[in-house]
Amino acid sequence: DGGITQSPKYLFRKEGQNVTLSCEQNLNHDAMYWYRQDPGQGLRLIYYSQIVNDFQKGDIAEGYSVSREKKESFPLTVTSAQKNPTAFYLCASSGDRARNIQYFGAGTRLSVL
Amino acid sequence: QQQVKQSPQSLIVQKGGISIINCAYENTAFDYFPWYQQFPGKGPALLIAIRPDVSEKKEGRFTISFNKSAKQFSLHIMDSQPGDSATYFCAASMIADNYGQNFVFGPGTRLSVLP
Repeated sequence: DGGITQSPKYLFRKEGQNVTLSCEQNLNHDAMYWYRQDPGQGLRLIYYSQIVNDFQKGDIAEGYSVSREKKESFPLTVTSAQKNPTAFYLCASSGDRARNIQYFGAGTRLSVL
Repeated sequence: QQQVKQSPQSLIVQKGGISIINCAYENTAFDYFPWYQQFPGKGPALLIAIRPDVSEKKEGRFTISFNKSAKQFSLHIMDSQPGDSATYFCAASMIADNYGQNFVFGPGTRLSVLP
C-alpha cells in the first residue's frame, strides 16, 4: 500500500538523550514535513524538505534536527536541547503542486521519562 | 496574512444535527482549501477540498461552502453521527517556491456528537 509510515508509534526519552523518529514514504513525493502537535492544539511546522539533500527550518525548529539523504526518508531527531519534547509528532508529504495536498502518517507520541 | 482563522474551538452536536465549522483567510494567493479530519492518536486525513472558483462542494454528508469575496469557507456535516466525533482542521494552500509557506492550517475544531 502507498503511504507514509512513522515509527515507532510510542517513544520515551530520558533526560539528556537524543531520539530519532522515523518517517518513510512510498508515494514518490518530493516534499516532506514534520509537525508537532500538543494536546488539544493545532499543528506547528518544525522542518520541511522540498528535495533530497535540502531542508529548511519551520516555525519551531529549535532543539530539533533533520536529514534528507533519500527521497523516501525524512528522519527527525529530537535533541537534548529540546526542553519540552513531550508531544505528538506528525510527518507529512506532498507531491502534487497543482493541488498541494499534504498526506500524513499515523504519528509518533514522544514522552519524557 | 498567512494565518487561517477557525471557529468554534469546540462544538457539541446531537446525533442527526448539523455541524458547522467556519474558517477565514487573508491571503488571496491561496487557491486550494482542504479540510482534514483527525481522530485521537491518529494522523489527520484529507476529508474534502475545494477551489475558490467553486461556491460549494458536496461529498456524502460533508459539504464545503466557499465565499470568495468574504474570504471565508465552512464545513457542514449533515446528519452528524457519533463516529464523526474528531478534530477538524481547515487549511489553505497555494503554489509557491517556498514550501514552508504554501500550506497553512487552522487551529482546529473539536467536534463531539452526542448519541
